[in-house]
Formats: sequence, C-alpha cells, structure tokens
Amino acid sequence: DTGVSQDPRHKITKRGQNVTFRCDPISEHNRLYWYRQTLGQGPEFLTYFQNEAQLEKSRLLSDRFSAERPKGSFSTLEIQRTEQGDSAMYLCASSLEWEVEQYFGPGTRLTVT
Amino acid sequence: QKEVEQNSGPLSVPEGAIASLNCTYSDRGSQSFFWYRQYSGKSPELIMSIYSNGDKEDGRFTAQLNKASQYVSLLIRDSQPSDSATYLCAVNYPNDYKLSFGAGTTVTVRA
Repeated sequence: DTGVSQDPRHKITKRGQNVTFRCDPISEHNRLYWYRQTLGQGPEFLTYFQNEAQLEKSRLLSDRFSAERPKGSFSTLEIQRTEQGDSAMYLCASSLEWEVEQYFGPGTRLTVT
Repeated sequence: QKEVEQNSGPLSVPEGAIASLNCTYSDRGSQSFFWYRQYSGKSPELIMSIYSNGDKEDGRFTAQLNKASQYVSLLIRDSQPSDSATYLCAVNYPNDYKLSFGAGTTVTVRA
C-alpha cells in the first residue's frame, strides 16, 4: 500500500511566476486535503475535496490559489503570480470518508525568490 | 477562532527519561485529537489518535485526554535519540473534516 505522494518535492521560482503542484492520495482515500506550513508553525488548512468536489476553502486561499481534483483521484494546487510570502511547505493529506485520521505526503517545498 | 496551544519548547530530556508534552484547545465541541511527529525537513507522521477521556497507550507513547479541562497530552517513555523531533497536536471538530494544529513542541533527547 503506497502512501501519499507529491510532486515536485522542491520548487524554486521567481516572483510573479505560476507554479503547480500535484498530489496523489492513498488509493481508495476519497478525501484529500491541502495544508501549508511555514517555519515554526503547524500546518494551516487550505482546502479539501471529497471525491472530485471541493467542499471547503480557507480564507487563506486567495484568488491566486486554485485547486482541482478532476476525477476524484489526484489533485493539483496552482499558485498564480507567486509572491515571496508564498514560500512554504505545501502538504497534501488524504483520508477515508468514514475515518478522521489524515495521512500526509512528503510535501512540496516552495521557495519564491 | 478555534485555537490549539502547545508549549513552544524546546524540551530537552535525557535518554531513557519520560518526555511530557501538553496541548490545550479552545473549542469544547472538539471531538478527535491527534499527535503527529515531524522530523526536521520532513512531513508530519501520525503517531497517536484519541477520542475519549482517559489514557491510550501504544508502545512507548501514551496519549491522555481530559475534555472537561480541554487538555490533551503525550507521554514518551524511555525516550530515545530517534524521538528528537517536533510533536504537533491536532484537533478535529464535529462535521468539520479539517485539522487545526498547534505550533508544535520540539523535543531533543540527549544521549
């Protein structure tokens, strides 16, 4: 049973560029979550999907951020016009619909220069 | 504002000792409680979950929950250098599937 995978693991980009991250959840997990973590802080919720439906978005998710899960399997998180404040670890987690435990992927570390 | 508070640490304990980590939460309606371990530069790893008042033991780890005091703790017995990490407390609310995390407590086990 493979865990949650994320790609890329590291991304360095220049301010103003667009970036896209991918998350593949544990197979059969129909809930998928995105979190963001900055140094010295716990993860902060961004958004979550149940199957292909995006059911909640945090106010942290500005209009520069968009997430999709088109077929209820993998998900993408896109950040447009990146800013230095977007530098963080972007974490994806998944869970079964009837369980509350969430399992995290390795994360994508974004550095905006 | 749903808040989860943890002792910021760092917490330094000698090898073989018990490490005690504390977490308080603001919302009395909180339902599920989790401890994640995060090594430097890595992602959080779920190590304990607890849902009802009392103690729950798993190997060298014991989680304790007191809903009346809005308090959850984690004890690490016989601490090993490999336990050196940041421990994150997370809380889940009824009908709300996201987790709310504390800032974490960094534990250093010295040999």
